[in-house]
Amino acid sequence: DGGITQSPKYLFRKEGQNVTLSCEQNLNHDAMYWYRQDPGQGLRLIYYSQIVNDFQKGDIAEGYSVSREKKESFPLTVTSAQKNPTAFYLCASMVLNTGELFFGEGSRLTVL
Amino acid sequence: QKEVEQNSGPLSVPEGAIASLNCTYSDRGSQSFFWYRQYSGKSPELIMSIYSNGDKEDGRFTAQLNKASQYVSLLIRDSQPSDSATYLCAAYSSASKIIFGSGTRLSIRP
Repeated sequence: DGGITQSPKYLFRKEGQNVTLSCEQNLNHDAMYWYRQDPGQGLRLIYYSQIVNDFQKGDIAEGYSVSREKKESFPLTVTSAQKNPTAFYLCASMVLNTGELFFGEGSRLTVL
Repeated sequence: QKEVEQNSGPLSVPEGAIASLNCTYSDRGSQSFFWYRQYSGKSPELIMSIYSNGDKEDGRFTAQLNKASQYVSLLIRDSQPSDSATYLCAAYSSASKIIFGSGTRLSIRP
């Protein structure tokens, strides 16, 4: 089935550790996105990428890093520099000519 | 700052009635508009896309767009308890950026 796969679904991290969230899509979409959602809040854009080997910062990129070495993959690293990393992280890919965005199931990160 | 504004709710509607959700946007360059449904603890799901002025119907859902007023709405007819969720409005303009509203929480009461 075509779709977006995020892993892990749940992740616990100790303070000071970096963690990497995986996002893979087989929809052949060029653009991919990472959002953060805090309880009761809207979506905030972390990073996005329109083509391989290129990406742009979103509104809250500090403390995060990404790579786009393959069209299908857009992993997000939450570094120890991110002060409040506990959140629900959503990966998405976009049909560029329509703007339709499709989401993975999300990864819930908890810092202990 | 380009924005999409929604009333946060909660909006409470009796089962079987019409739920009306509203959204305004600030960027006149926005070309495409979307409604996403998000159940608690889950990821958003695209339920409606609208690209031109007027109404677009899909089953019990109708999206309405008025570019002159910079206004988008979603009507849900014959509301069901399963429609209880947060509804996110989004606008897409150039540079591949999509702007989301903060969402309206809808509750359908039996």
